[in-house]
Amino acid sequence: TQLLEQSPQFLSIQEGENLTVYCNSSSVFSSLQWYRQEPGEGPVLLVTVVTGGEVKKLKRLTFQFGDARKDSSLHITAAQPGDTGLYLCAGAKNTGFQKLVFGTGTRLLVSP
Amino acid sequence: DTAVSQTPKYLVTQMGNDKSIKCEQNLGHDTMYWYKQDSKKFLKIMFSYNNKELIINETVPNRFSPKSPDKAHLNLHINSLELGDSAVYFCASSRDTSSRVRYGYSFGSGTRLTVV
Repeated sequence: TQLLEQSPQFLSIQEGENLTVYCNSSSVFSSLQWYRQEPGEGPVLLVTVVTGGEVKKLKRLTFQFGDARKDSSLHITAAQPGDTGLYLCAGAKNTGFQKLVFGTGTRLLVSP
Repeated sequence: DTAVSQTPKYLVTQMGNDKSIKCEQNLGHDTMYWYKQDSKKFLKIMFSYNNKELIINETVPNRFSPKSPDKAHLNLHINSLELGDSAVYFCASSRDTSSRVRYGYSFGSGTRLTVV
């Protein structure tokens, strides 16, 4: 059972376009993180959101945590080829020892 | 200096063999993990150790045995390798504080295991 479903699974766009990636679950998470993974490397943390409705910005990336803490979105403005990669959301539950459950992933390809 | 390093980067072996993957972190973290990433890029936790103590074992076959000699190392030994074990295995570490999730996990660069 996939606890965190991401959409779209794959996105191919031109440089300069905007895009949004969604991360949805029926479960409530105490916090949610977004990672980016490049080929041959491990995921690298981009941001952590912990409060329902929280919005965080990282340059051209905007992250939002849903009010009910069940979903999140990542919006990229004016995408660049350097944004190409696999984007993963990961949720932590506040039950016992916290472990991260990863989403299904979104592969982004930004062409020049 | 690499924060989380795992070796080898690539591992090709025949069915039935036994192999090990090593992981070391120099971040001073108390918790370490092994994740498996399948061909569809889904990352699934396998094990977690906190201060050398096993705290998470996600219904992984007994053929997989983690060992943590100290809190900076977490190795993964796999017996009787099967075709379905082919995947990329990631080691990760995190702080052992109530604010663990704020700082996220630090991942190694992965070990691509191919069983033929």
